[in-house]
Amino acid sequence: AQSVAQPEDQVNVAEGNPLTVKCTYSVSGNPYLFWYVQYPNRGLQFLLKYITGDNLVKGSYGFEAEFNKSQTSFHLKKPSALVSDSALYFCAVRRGNTGTASKLTFGTGTRLQVTL
Amino acid sequence: DGGITQSPKYLFRKEGQNVTLSCEQNLNHDAMYWYRQDPGQGLRLIYYSQIVNDFQKGDIAEGYSVSREKKESFPLTVTSAQKNPTAFYLCASRNTGYGYTFGSGTRLTVV
Repeated sequence: AQSVAQPEDQVNVAEGNPLTVKCTYSVSGNPYLFWYVQYPNRGLQFLLKYITGDNLVKGSYGFEAEFNKSQTSFHLKKPSALVSDSALYFCAVRRGNTGTASKLTFGTGTRLQVTL
Repeated sequence: DGGITQSPKYLFRKEGQNVTLSCEQNLNHDAMYWYRQDPGQGLRLIYYSQIVNDFQKGDIAEGYSVSREKKESFPLTVTSAQKNPTAFYLCASRNTGYGYTFGSGTRLTVV
């Protein structure tokens, strides 16, 4: 079975400060890892993914994430937070190299609150 | 623009009533998924379909049913057997690429 843990229900950060949203995962085989963002009453929007290659992945809106295989982590980061980054963030994992057969498993989400 | 359309945006159900949530995509994606979102529980998979005329149960399929008669459409019916249907429902699709494309969701409330 595969699983994702997002240990923080909420992360608070001041605008202009760096932010980190934590994610650890468990999956057999090679992991495909994803971050999505959700604004109120909206669907999930794709931010970035790790499939293979460079452990540091850059995505939309200045976000990046670092894949750490030994720690089974995929933390989301941004050097300078904006108030408009305030939203609900989901980490997801699926087993790689399985075509459309495998499904995404999502974490419980972390609410990011950026204040002035 | 290509994308996924979910309708209606808000839906109210009376006790004992079946309701159907619509999900249509024009992305030519093979696989489609239905998730349920409750506060603090993330997204839980209800049903998924990898090809037309085929679908599988997810983690919380009881009280729900689906059909996949066309590639573009994957409607979800919430039956009276679902005892706690109030939630936000999300439809998603995926082709042979890596990630999912999500619709904007339907909020179902029991009245």
